[in-house]
Amino acid sequence: AQSVAQPEDQVNVAEGNPLTVKCTYSVSGNPYLFWYVQYPNRGLQFLLKYITGDNLVKGSYGFEAEFNKSQTSFHLKKPSALVSDSALYFCAVRLNAGNMLTFGGGTRLMVKP
Amino acid sequence: DTGVSQNPRHKITKRGQNVTFRCDPISEHNRLYWYRQTLGQGPEFLTYFQNEAQLEKSRLLSDRFSAERPKGSFSTLEIQRTEQGDSAMYLCASSVGQGGNQPQHFGDGTRLSIL
Repeated sequence: AQSVAQPEDQVNVAEGNPLTVKCTYSVSGNPYLFWYVQYPNRGLQFLLKYITGDNLVKGSYGFEAEFNKSQTSFHLKKPSALVSDSALYFCAVRLNAGNMLTFGGGTRLMVKP
Repeated sequence: DTGVSQNPRHKITKRGQNVTFRCDPISEHNRLYWYRQTLGQGPEFLTYFQNEAQLEKSRLLSDRFSAERPKGSFSTLEIQRTEQGDSAMYLCASSVGQGGNQPQHFGDGTRLSIL
């Protein structure tokens, strides 16, 4: 079985400050890891993925994420937050041989001016 | 390249009625997925198609639910004898390729409300 945990329901950060949204996973095998963002009444937009290779992956809109195998984590980061980054963020894992994505419960990011 | 299109965007129906949703994936995407998302939760996998073949079904997909993808293009998700617990956002996603390393691209969903 595979699972994803996002320990924070909400993260508050001031505009211009760095942000981190946490994600830990549990899977037996090599994980494929993804981050998505969701705005109100919209579907999920793909931000970035880790498949293999460098542990630091860069994605859309200045976001990046660091894969840490020993801590089974895949935290999302951005050096300088924007008010427009305020949204719901989902971490997801896919077992390399599988097809379904398993999502975490989501973290609401609030960036205040 | 248009994105994944889902229709209708909203559906309100009475308990016990049947409903059908449609998903048009990104053209040439051979993989198509259905997920269900309830308020405040992450999406939950329902079923997966590769071309026209339905290859995976979640235990969440009770016998009241059926999905099809004729000719490997658009897909439909039907719910028969709807129940209050079926109220949710139904999301469709598509991806390309044979492996699991390509991201799934999501539509904006169909929000189902059961009266």
